[in-house]
Amino acid sequence: SAVISQKPSRDICQRGTSLTIQCQVDSQVTMMFWYRQQPGQSLTLIATANQGSEATYESGFVIDKFPISRPNLTFSTLTVSNMSPEDSSIYLCSVQGTVQPGAGELFFGEGSRLTVL
Amino acid sequence: GQNIDQPTEMTATEGAIVQINCTYQTSGFNGLFWYQQHAGEAPTFLSYNVLDGLEEKGRFSSFLSRSKGYSYLLLKELQMKDSASYLCAVSTGGGNKLTFGTGTQLKVEL
Repeated sequence: SAVISQKPSRDICQRGTSLTIQCQVDSQVTMMFWYRQQPGQSLTLIATANQGSEATYESGFVIDKFPISRPNLTFSTLTVSNMSPEDSSIYLCSVQGTVQPGAGELFFGEGSRLTVL
Repeated sequence: GQNIDQPTEMTATEGAIVQINCTYQTSGFNGLFWYQQHAGEAPTFLSYNVLDGLEEKGRFSSFLSRSKGYSYLLLKELQMKDSASYLCAVSTGGGNKLTFGTGTQLKVEL
């Protein structure tokens, strides 16, 4: 299994500001994903963080709002830009359990709980 | 589009057996996962099915029928600590991208 560290674990932010969430994995992984879990709801995939190239965004999510970096195989960041109260959510980093694409379960970080006032 | 359905909530008694159902309609299928999520915590992996049939792992079993687009998670000898949300997720496309259902909130009572 992979150990995933996310920070911050929680934050309270002002409307219009931006916040960057960091995700560090204890081993090299091919696939890293960013999910959002809004209050009382399930997980929604924001994007796949690709090492060395631009992230792949899901429908409804755009790079200007959620820029992502993936400088190497163990680290990624997600920025939530120009925040509004609707962005209040838990943001989760996840990785595949093996370095082989298409195989293995996903492991999740503990999540970053953001509250936007 | 992707559509995954689960009951919103279920209640069961400590020591009993409970079955949580999941039906799905997705474009592509690479496998089905079950995750457990306690309140305020990250989801943790429970099971993975890619072929039809039953996979057993201790008190937890998961079943898959690909032709019916159907899975269930079976929890035996329920314990109070099993009170949690159970998420059904389907892997589609390349890269093991998961689409999650809305989750089933299970409450275990004495």
